[in-house]
Amino acid sequence: GQNIDQPTEMTATEGAIVQINCTYQTSGFNGLFWYQQHAGEAPTFLSYNVLDGLEEKGRFSSFLSRSKGYSYLLLKELQMKDSASYLCAVRDRSNDYKLSFGAGTTVTVRA
Amino acid sequence: ETGVTQTPRHLVMGMTNKKSLKCEQHLGHNAMYWYKQSAKKPLELMFVYNFKEQTENNSVPSRFSPECPNSSHLFLHLHTLQPEDSALYLCASSQGTGKDGTEAFFGQGTRLTVV
Repeated sequence: GQNIDQPTEMTATEGAIVQINCTYQTSGFNGLFWYQQHAGEAPTFLSYNVLDGLEEKGRFSSFLSRSKGYSYLLLKELQMKDSASYLCAVRDRSNDYKLSFGAGTTVTVRA
Repeated sequence: ETGVTQTPRHLVMGMTNKKSLKCEQHLGHNAMYWYKQSAKKPLELMFVYNFKEQTENNSVPSRFSPECPNSSHLFLHLHTLQPEDSALYLCASSQGTGKDGTEAFFGQGTRLTVV
């Protein structure tokens, strides 16, 4: 498998910043995706990284280091509606380019 | 609304029942997927269809039977399930598969409980 690891839970205060780390092991890395999933709802696409560096999209940013097998999702100016599960997924050539998902990180934003 | 619609949203069935899950995508995509999501576990890919042809069966037990009559519709037929099959079943679609495939768009899922 792709051994995708991310923390199970994180808690942060409204207005703060939270960083969700994701580590992975692949033999043919071909992209990393972050999804957001609110309870009882569909996972929705947040970001895609295939080259090293930071991709910024409003309050959310995603970083990738291929040499370290590491990514993070940065959520800034946290809002209550950001309380959700965040899923890291990796696409791998050696797995026929199928997506492999981590178990997800549940983020709770408190007032 | 992601453009992928699943019905029913909730389903309770006995181990001897036969039921079907339905998925429809309105995005013009050519690939559709079934995933299983159990609590605290990663999403598990079950089946992949590309242009209506099944390209992946991820060692799924035969009590799960997929059907893809066209690129917009996907079914998952269920029979003689076990309690451990209780989970959230997610349908997804994408434009293409493989290295050039776009991100997947997910439906809201069917919460299945087997009693």
